[in-house]
Amino acid sequence: DAGVIQSPRHEVTEMGQEVTLRCKPISGHDYLFWYRQTMMRGLELLIYFNNNVPIDDSGMPEDRFSAKMPNASFSTLKIQPSEPRDSAVYFCASSLLGENTEAFFGQGTRLTVV
Amino acid sequence: GENVEQHPSTLSVQEGDSAVIKCTYSDSASNYFPWYKQELGKGPQLIIDIRSNVGEKKDQRIAVTLNKTAKHFSLHITETQPEDSAVYFCAASLTDSWGKLQFGAGTQVVVTP
Repeated sequence: DAGVIQSPRHEVTEMGQEVTLRCKPISGHDYLFWYRQTMMRGLELLIYFNNNVPIDDSGMPEDRFSAKMPNASFSTLKIQPSEPRDSAVYFCASSLLGENTEAFFGQGTRLTVV
Repeated sequence: GENVEQHPSTLSVQEGDSAVIKCTYSDSASNYFPWYKQELGKGPQLIIDIRSNVGEKKDQRIAVTLNKTAKHFSLHITETQPEDSAVYFCAASLTDSWGKLQFGAGTQVVVTP
């Protein structure tokens, strides 16, 4: 398996524009997580899904953020409208539930909002 | 909620020496403690984890210890090599909701030849 695949790797957008980040989890994994990483706040869990269903979105900062998982192999994180303070690296991770599981992270999307 | 503190924020060691990173957590119910390594431009990668029913775990040059009474856990890297240079994160969670990992702020480790 190629691992967790995120696209795009880099995104530069203007304030007010809509941004969509994409993630393809590892095949067969039933958990998917979206994290945000910034210098100020470190790694923060935004939302996670189990079997395509959102379980906990308490980390989503504002209503401008939304996430979907229409099927087991695809998820999106959307920011509308984007603001400069949304600039960060966004990571998607996936895992299996089990005694000795681990979360596999993608390479991340570096978002810059100007 | 859980709060994880990690020290030091930066650590410079000579190649061959040992490196120790320490974390404390606040929620006594936490029972899963993974450590992640993040190299520049990449996502975090799990290097070792420990659960609350174990006090110590070792994998080659890496070991983790857990003191549940004091609510702290540590990462030990022996015989450090230049490729150990990276940012290391500790994390804590409950296994029944382990997806909600609470990460420490990270430690930048630099191994100098």
